[in-house]
Amino acid sequence: AQSVSQHNHHVILSEAASLELGCNYSYGGTVNLFWYVQYPGQHLQLLLKYFSGDPLVKGIKGFEAEFIKSKFSFNLRKPSVQWSDTAEYFCAVSPNTGFQKLVFGTGTRLLVSP
Amino acid sequence: DTAVSQTPKYLVTQMGNDKSIKCEQNLGHDTMYWYKQDSKKFLKIMFSYNNKELIINETVPNRFSPKSPDKAHLNLHINSLELGDSAVYFCASSQDLGQGAQETQYFGPGTRLLVL
Repeated sequence: AQSVSQHNHHVILSEAASLELGCNYSYGGTVNLFWYVQYPGQHLQLLLKYFSGDPLVKGIKGFEAEFIKSKFSFNLRKPSVQWSDTAEYFCAVSPNTGFQKLVFGTGTRLLVSP
Repeated sequence: DTAVSQTPKYLVTQMGNDKSIKCEQNLGHDTMYWYKQDSKKFLKIMFSYNNKELIINETVPNRFSPKSPDKAHLNLHINSLELGDSAVYFCASSQDLGQGAQETQYFGPGTRLLVL
């Protein structure tokens, strides 16, 4: 069975700081990878996804993530965060075969101070 | 023009009661899901239906019974509610593209269930 680890549970940054959130997964086969964001009191929204092709994926709101297959990692990055990026960030993985079954990491709570 | 909607948004009830949560999607997707998010924000899949057929059933107490009357709806009925059922329940939908091709899951706004 697949699993996802997000090592940073809480991250506090000042505006304009750079962000990198770690995500590692465990699965023996080919996977699809996702980052979702949950703003306070809201539902999950997709930031970006990787299915195949270029391992550097660009998403909405200036976020990007890089899939490094040898490290089983899919870290999320943003060069300069804003106060509005304060949210919970979830990495998720799904096998590339069969019906989609997302397995989520435990989430990283990001607080950006103005 | 809401893509995935859930009702109710909030649900407060007593232990032992039976309650239902409804989910509807207008995206034309053929696959729907229920997830549970606990107090620590951990999200875990509970069920998935494809074309009204159950395809994923994680280790969930049989007090939880999903029902899919059609492709656009997936309801969750919970019998004999317990304190530990308190959580946020998210519905999601996606389109199965076949042969391992997957489409993005779109999530509803969540139903906050509090069992007293």
